[in-house]
Amino acid sequence: AQSVTQLGSHVSVSEGALVLLRCNYSSSVPPYLFWYVQYPNQGLQLLLKYTTGATLVKGINGFEAEFKKSETSFHLTKPSAHMSDAAEYFCAVSEGPFGNEKLTFGTGTRLTIIP
Amino acid sequence: NAGVTQTPKFRVLKTGQSMTLLCAQDMNHEYMYWYRQDPGMGLRLIHYSVGEGTTAKGEVPDGYNVSRLKKQNFLLGLESAAPSQTSVYFCASSYLRGGGETQYFGPGTRLLVL
Repeated sequence: AQSVTQLGSHVSVSEGALVLLRCNYSSSVPPYLFWYVQYPNQGLQLLLKYTTGATLVKGINGFEAEFKKSETSFHLTKPSAHMSDAAEYFCAVSEGPFGNEKLTFGTGTRLTIIP
Repeated sequence: NAGVTQTPKFRVLKTGQSMTLLCAQDMNHEYMYWYRQDPGMGLRLIHYSVGEGTTAKGEVPDGYNVSRLKKQNFLLGLESAAPSQTSVYFCASSYLRGGGETQYFGPGTRLLVL
């Protein structure tokens, strides 16, 4: 069965500092990996996803993530945090066309930006 | 395009009452999903549909029923609400199957069961 672990339910960074949100996954087949963001009182929207090809994936708002198969990780980074990045971030995995295609979400990481 | 819309936005129920949550999408998506979001638990899939007239159980289906009579609509029903069903409910849709498809989410329905 597929699963996702997000280390750190709350992360605080200063404005302008590096953002690093950690995600590790478990999957019995090659995974598809996603990061979604949820702003207060809104639904989730896709930040970026990895399906195949280049392991460094760039998304919206300056975020990127790197798929590392050997580490079963898909950490999300942004070089310089902005106040507007304050939100909850969810990592998710699906097993692609050969396995369970449904998304399994992590428990989320709430990002706070300190002025 | 409105994308994915949900009705109502907020509702308070008493234990034992019933209600239906409506999800509508105008993107001609085949797949639709209902999730619930609870603090510290992320999103959990309740039911999903792979096309008009089809439904299937997700991770936490007990106490809920669904229907997909029209391609653009996906209804979630609570026949006899319980306090454990207090949650935020999200509907989502995606164009095709294949695991790599992006899911598009509605704004959510906040439900409080007293």
